[in-house]
Amino acid sequence: NAGVTQTPKFQVLKTGQSMTLQCAQDMNHNSMYWYRQDPGMGLRLIYYSASEGTTDKGEVPNGYNVSRLNKREFSLRLESAAPSQTSVYFCASSEAEGTGGNEQFFGPGTRLTV
Amino acid sequence: RKEVEQDPGPFNVPEGATVAFNCTYSNSASQSFFWYRQDCRKEPKLLMSVYSSGNEDGRFTAQLNRASQYISLLIRDSKLSDSATYLCVVNWISNFGNEKLTFGTGTRLTIIP
Repeated sequence: NAGVTQTPKFQVLKTGQSMTLQCAQDMNHNSMYWYRQDPGMGLRLIYYSASEGTTDKGEVPNGYNVSRLNKREFSLRLESAAPSQTSVYFCASSEAEGTGGNEQFFGPGTRLTV
Repeated sequence: RKEVEQDPGPFNVPEGATVAFNCTYSNSASQSFFWYRQDCRKEPKLLMSVYSSGNEDGRFTAQLNRASQYISLLIRDSKLSDSATYLCVVNWISNFGNEKLTFGTGTRLTIIP
């Protein structure tokens, strides 16, 4: 099993450009998440998907959109990149949301520079 | 006040020593607690869950004090491979009843040969 995979690993964008970060998991997990990690800030939740067909905002959703394409795939889109979106982006999945003790499995991350 | 607070370190500890990390959380309704480990430029991985009665996994011991809203991680007989950043993670319930994880900023540990 590959676990959680993310593409690309690195990306440089100019201000105003758009891009989509891809994430896929092969563990048959119901819930998927997008986080960003910035120095001194910890991981912050951007969007999550509790199950296929549903998405919801996290702590820092502004400037992002998501699509839960199917149970395996959850993409994050930046419509008009800004320097404040320079960060490391992690996708994660877990068996189910709302059950408290489920481990979240993370992808290797995407390092984005705007 | 941050929802989860940790001493950022860095902690520079000689090999074989014992080291302890602390974490405090602000949401008294939090139900689940975890320690994650993150190696440099890698993704976080679950180290251990933290239970009310305290739990041990080899050289690692985690404690929870709900009254003080305080979590700790103790590493005994530290190894070079323990060098990493340790993230304190707490679940919380949103106003809409959704359950989410909140991550601390992490404590950086370096084990010195």
